[in-house]
Amino acid sequence: EAGVAQSPRYKIIEKRQSVAFWCNPISGHATLYWYQQILGQGPKLLIQFQNNGVVDDSQLPKDRFSAERLKGVDSTLKIQPAKLEDSAVYLCASSLGTADTQYFGPGTRLTVL
Amino acid sequence: AQSVTQLGSHVSVSEGALVLLRCNYSSSVPPYLFWYVQYPNQGLQLLLKYTTGATLVKGINGFEAEFKKSETSFHLTKPSAHMSDAAEYFCAVSYTGNQFYFGTGTSLTVIP
Repeated sequence: EAGVAQSPRYKIIEKRQSVAFWCNPISGHATLYWYQQILGQGPKLLIQFQNNGVVDDSQLPKDRFSAERLKGVDSTLKIQPAKLEDSAVYLCASSLGTADTQYFGPGTRLTVL
Repeated sequence: AQSVTQLGSHVSVSEGALVLLRCNYSSSVPPYLFWYVQYPNQGLQLLLKYTTGATLVKGINGFEAEFKKSETSFHLTKPSAHMSDAAEYFCAVSYTGNQFYFGTGTSLTVIP
């Protein structure tokens, strides 16, 4: 069974530029999560989708971050414009449903210069 | 605010020694509790989880954890450390399957 796929694996941009990350969850998983993991810290949940609806986005900086999961499968996370403090690893995870085991992708490491 | 605290950002043990990684949560409502492991340049992998039922939970790779409501703790243990256990370990809590909160992580070093 294929795992959670993310791309790109690495991205370097300058501040004020825009960037987008892509996630393909495990087939059949209704719940999809985006996390931000800053170096030396634990992952912080940014947004949680149940199919194509948002369950929780309370910690998403909505002035610059956006995410969508239009068809209830793939998802994209966008940052526009990026700030230096956005440098982090962005993790995508999926699960069959809420409270089920989350399976994590390898992450996208973003460096903002 | 709901949170999870991992005591000790770095833990070193000798190979064959007991591994004990500490996790405490702050909530009046018993949460779902998880331990994840992250190997270098890899994604997080679930070690074990507690939702309901038996408070002693066994996971993969010989790890186990016990939910103690009176102590609001969910410490991770392994009787005998292997070199391959060296990694970053994260405790996490969730309330009704949503609102996931991760601790800051504990880096485990195993000394030969």
